[in-house]
Amino acid sequence: KNEVEQSPQNLTAQEGEFITINCSYSVGISALHWLQQHPGGGIVSLFMLSSGKKKHGRLIATINIQEKHSSLHITASHPRDSAVYICAVKGYGGSQGNLIFGKGTKLSVKP
Amino acid sequence: AAGVIQSPRHLIKEKRETATLKCYPIPRHDTVYWYQQGPGQDPQFLISFYEKMQSDKGSIPDRFSAQQFSDYHSELNMSSLELGDSALYFCASSGRLRGYEKLFFGSGTQLSVL
Repeated sequence: KNEVEQSPQNLTAQEGEFITINCSYSVGISALHWLQQHPGGGIVSLFMLSSGKKKHGRLIATINIQEKHSSLHITASHPRDSAVYICAVKGYGGSQGNLIFGKGTKLSVKP
Repeated sequence: AAGVIQSPRHLIKEKRETATLKCYPIPRHDTVYWYQQGPGQDPQFLISFYEKMQSDKGSIPDRFSAQQFSDYHSELNMSSLELGDSALYFCASSGRLRGYEKLFFGSGTQLSVL
């Protein structure tokens, strides 16, 4: 079983829909990252969370430490949101970038 | 704003050759991380450097080595290349100004070993 599980693996939505991507992890963590990867490989860091909730524009990320679960929400989705969204966790010890990555959720938003 | 720069963008090598990948962090970032992402695979952490010293080590093969230079750029040296080394190699940097909180990623180097 992977230490970081994401669901769904693939998601197709219509423009304007509210989207939720889930991440569950089985290890103790000091932080959780949500990353966005576009075709061609470029990765953008969206959020780093250790507790609670963060919001940036149409993106909202939440984390429940007790349940070892995080969600990424996209409101009013747009075709430009189409990308792979990756959840990655930082365990205790090691450098900040020593992350365990999920397999990603491929999101496609249709106009 | 300046981002993390990686070069080359694409690299084609043959088996048993060597390759050198470069990563230039955001100015004033003192920490660099390297990752390997095989086709259809999730990224794997390889190694990191802080202030020119290795700070952490992940699943980096013994055939690979890396270093961080005085200008904080980093190079990943890969020798005796194997077909299985074909992957996207990307780096990230972080710095004290943001409390090392946020990672900034480069676009990656796509290595193909033939």
